Amino acid sequence: KAGVTQTPRYLIKTRGQQVTLSCSPISGHRSVSWYQQTPGQGLQFLFEYFSETQRNKGNFPGRFSGRQFSNSRSEMNVSTLELGDSALYLCASSSQTSGATDTQYFGPGTRLTVL
Amino acid sequence: GNSVTQMEGPVTLSEEAFLTINCTYTATGYPSLFWYVQYPGEGLQLLLKATKADDKGSNKGFEATYRKETTSFHLEKGSVQVSDSAVYFCALSDRGGSNYKLTFGKGTLLTVNP
Repeated sequence: KAGVTQTPRYLIKTRGQQVTLSCSPISGHRSVSWYQQTPGQGLQFLFEYFSETQRNKGNFPGRFSGRQFSNSRSEMNVSTLELGDSALYLCASSSQTSGATDTQYFGPGTRLTVL
Repeated sequence: GNSVTQMEGPVTLSEEAFLTINCTYTATGYPSLFWYVQYPGEGLQLLLKATKADDKGSNKGFEATYRKETTSFHLEKGSVQVSDSAVYFCALSDRGGSNYKLTFGKGTLLTVNP
């Protein structure tokens, strides 16, 4: 099975712009989660989608949004970029057949740099 | 709320040395516990997991035992290799309710020298 894929792998944007990141989960996985990784804050949960519905959201401003499509692929969008949004954005998928015991499988991440 | 505390390191060892990375947690429900590893420039890979008290997760020579009485999930390996150099993250997923997110520790950088 192919793993979780994320595109693009690297992005450079300037302040005030917006950006869209894409994630394709492992085939058959219906849950997609997004995390932000920074040196200062570590790994922080952004949101989780299951069957096109957002089930959980972390403590991030409304500039961060996401969606999931019927084929389980997911996108996240960040509007009005700030310097502090520079981070590695990780997507993870799981089958969610057993709840919290399920393993989340991570993609390679998208490295976003905001100038 | 849920939280994970792990030794931050960095940890530097010689090849074939014994490794312990401590991890303790606070959770409101009955969490599943995980260790993930991140190699430079890559995403996170699952190393091992345990879903209930006294379970032992193991993989590639690494082991960790879910200790509910001490709320701990320490990672150990008897003989590390240079290829084990990476950042290790302890994480929990709380099975209470519909909370499917992972809560991570800050990560521990391990460097193994030949």
